[in-house]
Amino acid sequence: AQKVTQAQTEISVVEKEDVTLDCVYETRDTTYYLFWYKQPPSGELVFLIRRNSFDEQNEISGRYSWNFQKSTSSFNFTITASQVVDSAVYFCALSVMDTGRRALTFGSGTRLQVQP
Amino acid sequence: DAGVTQSPTHLIKTRGQHVTLRCSPISGHKSVSWYQQVLGQGPQFIFQYYEKEERGRGNFPDRFSARQFPNYSSELNVNALLLGDSALYLCASSLGRGAVSSNQPQHFGDGTRLSIL
Repeated sequence: AQKVTQAQTEISVVEKEDVTLDCVYETRDTTYYLFWYKQPPSGELVFLIRRNSFDEQNEISGRYSWNFQKSTSSFNFTITASQVVDSAVYFCALSVMDTGRRALTFGSGTRLQVQP
Repeated sequence: DAGVTQSPTHLIKTRGQHVTLRCSPISGHKSVSWYQQVLGQGPQFIFQYYEKEERGRGNFPDRFSARQFPNYSSELNVNALLLGDSALYLCASSLGRGAVSSNQPQHFGDGTRLSIL
């Protein structure tokens, strides 16, 4: 079975601060994919990034960066110089190459509040 | 191009009733998945369909059923509604070329917020 843990329920920062959202996953599969999604108050889940289990290279996209470490089963997400528009709930998710069930397993989410 | 569209946006039902939720995937996407998101929690997988066939099912009772049509749109049906079915129901689509691929990013609609009284 797969499991994703986002231990931080809610984080509040002041604009321009850097913030890191933690994600720890569990799976027995050797091939899997990790995702981050953003859910603004409107409810839509917005895809941010996908990584596969064979690629531990960190990735940067503008103010966003991701740190994937298989040794600790973590896939953390950092927002640099946070902005009010970053306020949302962020979900980490996992999918595996399971022929019987191709689905995303989500964590419980981290609510990020960026204060002006 | 239009994203994933879901209807209705909001729905109020009473216990024991049934409900049908609808989803139109992104043009060209052949795979549709349904998720239930209870307030304060992450989405939970209900079903995945590809080429009109069920390809995955989560841990939901038989009161939940779904189908996919030739145009790849999908319906989620829930019978004998319970208070605990109150949630945001999200539909997601992905390309799913050939066999359904778990590495395809799923693109989500705005959801249908279902309230059971």
